[in-house]
Amino acid sequence: AQSVTQLDSQVPVFEEAPVELRCNYSSSVSVYLFWYVQYPNQGLQLLLKYLSGSTLVESINGFEAEFNKSQTSFHLRKPSVHISDTAEYFCAVSFEAQKLVFGQGTRLTINP
Amino acid sequence: DAGVTQSPTHLIKTRGQQVTLRCSPISGHKSVSWYQQVLGQGPQFIFQYYEKEERGRGNFPDRFSARQFPNYSSELNVNALLLGDSALYLCASSFSSNTEAFFGQGTRLTVV
Repeated sequence: AQSVTQLDSQVPVFEEAPVELRCNYSSSVSVYLFWYVQYPNQGLQLLLKYLSGSTLVESINGFEAEFNKSQTSFHLRKPSVHISDTAEYFCAVSFEAQKLVFGQGTRLTINP
Repeated sequence: DAGVTQSPTHLIKTRGQQVTLRCSPISGHKSVSWYQQVLGQGPQFIFQYYEKEERGRGNFPDRFSARQFPNYSSELNVNALLLGDSALYLCASSFSSNTEAFFGQGTRLTVV
């Protein structure tokens, strides 16, 4: 069975500081990995994905995540955050992209 | 192009009642999945439909049912509502059963 652990339920950071949101997963088979972002009272938006190929994947708004197979991790990073990055971030895994298993979420709060 | 659309956006029901939630996928997408997101938790997989056939079911009681129509839209039905069914219900669509999922804004169901 697949499972996802997001190690931090809340992460407060100052604006323009770097941030890392941690995600570890457990699976006996190869998986696809995703990060989704959820703004208040909205649905989920795909931030980035790892399906195959390069282990470092990037989003258009400055986030990146690195797939580490030996550590079964897919941590999300951004070198400099903005107030607009305040949201809930969910890590998800699947061996079939539609059947997603989500972590509990990490609430990212940006302080001015 | 319109994204995934869900209706209604908000709904209040009484315990024991039945509810139907609706989802229209992105044009051209043939796969629809449903997720339940209880406040403060990550989404939980309920159902996946592809080409009008059920392809997967999560760990939910038989009170939950769904179907997909020839135009690929979908309905989620929940019978005999319980207080614990209060949640954000998310619909996701994808082109096929193994490509990334795009989520709608969700239906907020409150059971009183």
